[in-house]
Amino acid sequence: DAKTTQPTSMDCAEGRAANLPCNHSTISGNEYVYWYRQIHSQGPQYIIHGLKNNETNEMASLIITEDRKSSTLILPHATLRDTAVYYCIVRDLRRSNDYKLSFGAGTTVTVRA
Amino acid sequence: GAGVSQSPRYKVAKRGQDVALRCDPISGHVSLFWYQQALGQGPEFLTYFQNEAQLDKSGLPSDRFFAERPEGSVSTLKIQRTQQEDSAVYLCASSWGRENTEAFFGQGTRLTVV
Repeated sequence: DAKTTQPTSMDCAEGRAANLPCNHSTISGNEYVYWYRQIHSQGPQYIIHGLKNNETNEMASLIITEDRKSSTLILPHATLRDTAVYYCIVRDLRRSNDYKLSFGAGTTVTVRA
Repeated sequence: GAGVSQSPRYKVAKRGQDVALRCDPISGHVSLFWYQQALGQGPEFLTYFQNEAQLDKSGLPSDRFFAERPEGSVSTLKIQRTQQEDSAVYLCASSWGRENTEAFFGQGTRLTVV
């Protein structure tokens, strides 16, 4: 069973904020929310992760709802180079076998000029 | 370079041929992973090493697939008697440890079996 659901695709305007939703309604209290992205012909790249608090780094912001059943990745000023497939993944770092990343299909984000 | 390096970048194999894919992880990274990515899909886990120990090979699709990391650094994924369904991008990733938050991926090897 998929732990996360994401829209298949979305378009964003260059220079505007891109808001990427993810539903994880069955998330447990110990599971983190991770985001990776994969630009065409490259390997996946880590973006950000969080447990319950909102997080921000140089790449993006992660907003997690209070009930933790959904989250939003925000790219504050999308550029053409942000065109990629974005994957939302949940992980329980305390479990001994949760070293795998379960990518799913992700959201194909196209940034348009 | 400082990143994960994979070679070759592209490999064309005739059906039935054996292939070997190489991964050079980031120096000092304890954990190493192999993933398989079919066209239009997300990567799927194949196997996991902690140093030289292969702790999980549950994702290997058949006994034609074999991975090793004999000295705890470079890893090789070998596929024997390749089939058309083996055509995919094979991704290698490494991280400091299992609990580490960030896995670094290589660019992958695109295998095409004809």
